[in-house]
Amino acid sequence: DAGVTQSPTHLIKTRGQQVTLRCSPKSGHDTVSWYQQALGQGPQFIFQYYEEEERQRGNFPDRFSGHQFPNYSSELNVNALLLGDSALYLCASSPGPGDREQYFGPGTRLTVT
Amino acid sequence: GNSVTQMEGPVTLSEEAFLTINCTYTATGYPSLFWYVQYPGEGLQLLLKATKADDKGSNKGFEATYRKETTSFHLEKGSVQVSDSAVYFCALSPYTGNQFYFGTGTSLTVIP
Repeated sequence: DAGVTQSPTHLIKTRGQQVTLRCSPKSGHDTVSWYQQALGQGPQFIFQYYEEEERQRGNFPDRFSGHQFPNYSSELNVNALLLGDSALYLCASSPGPGDREQYFGPGTRLTVT
Repeated sequence: GNSVTQMEGPVTLSEEAFLTINCTYTATGYPSLFWYVQYPGEGLQLLLKATKADDKGSNKGFEATYRKETTSFHLEKGSVQVSDSAVYFCALSPYTGNQFYFGTGTSLTVIP
């Protein structure tokens, strides 16, 4: 049973560019959440998707957007990249929006230069 | 609001020493509480959880008890190993919603 998978593993972008990160949830899970983990910090909640809609959002600007596909996989898009967007981006999945146990993927390391 | 305060690190222990990492929380309602572990270069792995007051979560020799009266969820292990070296995160999930709130993490290094 595959767990949560994310791609790519690492990414280097330039300020002002746009980036798309991808996540496939654990088998049987239909809810995907995205987190940003800056170096030396705990993960910060970006948003959650369920039934292809954004259900909850943390304190992140509109430059951060997402999408969920019918197969429950998800994308995180970040526009107009800033140096401060450099972080580990974690995807987490759960069996439903009301289920409080989340399984995390290995993350995508984004470096903005 | 919801927040988690974690004991600051880094923590360095000798093998077989006793470990305690303090975690306190603020939450509305009745949160679930979690400890996650992150090994270098990897994502977060669930270590243990507790969903209601007085529950004790345990896994791989680690334990934590959900204390509502002190709003705490301290992580303990009686005898640490070198392989326990990692960053440990305390987290809560509120009664409503599925968003997790994480502490800042505590880095543990166990030396032989």
